[in-house]
Amino acid sequence: KNEVEQSPQNLTAQEGEFITINCSYSVGISALHWLQQHPGGGIVSLFMLSSGKKKHGRLIATINIQEKHSSLHITASHPRDSAVYICAVRSGTDKLIFGTGTRLQVFP
Amino acid sequence: GAVVSQHPSWVICKSGTSVKIECRSLDFQATTMFWYRQFPKQSLMLMATSNEGSKATYEQGVEKDKFLINHASLTLSTLTVTSAHPEDSSFYICSAAHRLAGKDEQFFGPGTRLTVL
Repeated sequence: KNEVEQSPQNLTAQEGEFITINCSYSVGISALHWLQQHPGGGIVSLFMLSSGKKKHGRLIATINIQEKHSSLHITASHPRDSAVYICAVRSGTDKLIFGTGTRLQVFP
Repeated sequence: GAVVSQHPSWVICKSGTSVKIECRSLDFQATTMFWYRQFPKQSLMLMATSNEGSKATYEQGVEKDKFLINHASLTLSTLTVTSAHPEDSSFYICSAAHRLAGKDEQFFGPGTRLTVL
């Protein structure tokens, strides 16, 4: 079993839909990252969380430390949101443990 | 914001040659940089952790003599794939740790796609 599990693995949506991507982890963490990887490969760091909730534009990330679970929400989704979303946790050291990613496609 | 660059963005080389990839933090100093490899449709896998002025720490299964890492300054780390073979073809990504508001955050480079013929 992976230490970081994401669901769903693949997700398709119509433009405008509300999207939720989930991340569960089994280790103690000091921080959790949500990353976005576009088809060209470049990675953008969306959020770093250690508690509570953060919002940036149409993106919202929440984390529940007790339940070892985090969610990434996208409101009013748009085709340009199509990418792979990766959850990564930092446990103990500076190293990140990555989930396998959620491939999102938003159709117009 | 913190920006990390990589050069080159893609490279094609012949089997047996060596390839150097640079990772630079453009607007901050990074005492720690990380090198990752990503195969198609897979997640990132950490290869090594690079600290300025000291030897890199390699993950299990990563050959340190094949993947040479040099972190000569606080803004530059290099990864050299020596005697590259087709199985080394992959997407190589670096990240740099930057302390913001008392917390260390990693900023990722755009990646380098290596194809070995």
